[in-house]
Parts: sequence; structure tokens; C-alpha cells
Amino acid sequence: AQKITQTQPGMFVQEKEAVTLDCTYDTSDQSYGLFWYKQPSSGEMIFLIYQGSYDEQNATEGRYSLNFQKARKSANLVISASQLGDSAMYFCAMREGFLGGGGNKLTFGTGTQLKVEL
Amino acid sequence: NAGVMQNPRHLVRRRGQEARLRCSPMKGHSHVYWYRQLPEEGLKFMVYLQKENIIDESGMPKERFSAEFPKEGPSILRIQQVVRGDSAAYFCASSLLGDSSGNTIYFGEGSWLTVV
Repeated sequence: AQKITQTQPGMFVQEKEAVTLDCTYDTSDQSYGLFWYKQPSSGEMIFLIYQGSYDEQNATEGRYSLNFQKARKSANLVISASQLGDSAMYFCAMREGFLGGGGNKLTFGTGTQLKVEL
Repeated sequence: NAGVMQNPRHLVRRRGQEARLRCSPMKGHSHVYWYRQLPEEGLKFMVYLQKENIIDESGMPKERFSAEFPKEGPSILRIQQVVRGDSAAYFCASSLLGDSSGNTIYFGEGSWLTVV
């Protein structure tokens, strides 16, 4: 089974609207972390937001929030008030605990290409 | 700039040549990770190194690829006798500790290898 699944290869959203990018994960560990990265066309990986498995509150960073539903093993990214500059590839990633090998090794999903339209 | 520094940003090699990619981790970080991103795909873990040691190389191809992180100097990812399929973006990340919580992983800007 895939450890990180992003089922939306591409998404469109109108400027100023909110958009949700889906991410589900699979792990047997109790302790793990979930990350979202943005990769614009220039190629660099930009960290957006982090959620720990024991965090009770959903993470938020400015216009980004992570809708963490532990029982469903989902960690969807919500971008509010989309801007043209949000057009990019978005990757969900997981860092597992001891059972998954530990360390800071990340497993990435295949990404979602987001395009923000006027 | 105290971030993770990778060079070169872009490298073109002919088939059969060697490619060397360098990564200087963030100041004070002694844990380095290399990832490969093939076209239209997500990043895939290759290798995790600590100073002078390879901790986890489970994602490294068995042949032609090697990595090191010497006591002094940057980490090097070396690809011998490159083939077209090695064309990819190679990302380096670093962390202060080997196992921690929170966002403690910092990525470089990537090195794009093109094999012609």
C-alpha cells in the first residue's frame, strides 16, 4: 500500500476562493509527522505546514491550514483566499516513527498541481 | 545565507561521465538526506548520512551511486557512468538531530542533472 496518497493530480481554483488538497497516509506508528511542501515552477521545495500525530489542534500557518483527521488517516491542506502565486505543485509527506524506520526520512506523495485562475 | 546550499544548480553530463553533486547543510546540522525527483514524480528518499557515516542507504541504487559526508566539507552525491535515466532533480535536506518532532528538516534548492 502507498504510504502517502494524493488522489488529485490537478486542481483548479478561482482567485480568492479556498481550495482543499487531499492527502491520506498509511502507517502503523503512533508517533509520526505530516508535512506539506510547495514546489513552484522554479523547482525549490518550500515548507508550508507541519502536523504532529499527537497535536490535538489542527496546524495553521497564515492562509494554510491542515485538516487533520487521525481516525481517517487524512491530512488535507486547505489554502484560503487563493492567490495567483499559489499556482504550483503541492506535496504531502510523512515522517514515521520507530516502526517506520525512524529518523527524519520523509515519504512523499505524487503531488497535486494547483492552478489558480482569475 | 545560512540555509542548505546545493551546487551546482544545473549540471549537464554526457552518457558515461561522472556527476558530482554537493550539499552544505545548515550551520550546525550534522544529518544530511538526499532525495531524487524524477520528472512528474514526488521526491524519493535515497540516503541518510551523518558526519563520516552512512546511516540508511535503502533508497540508493545498488550500482553507480555513492554518497559521503566527510568530517570536513560538504556532502557529495556521486553518480558514475551516468545514463539518461539519471536525469532528475536531486534534493538535499539537513537536520540538527537524527530523530525529532516538529519541522526540523530543511531542504536545499535542488540540483538538476541532465544526461545527454
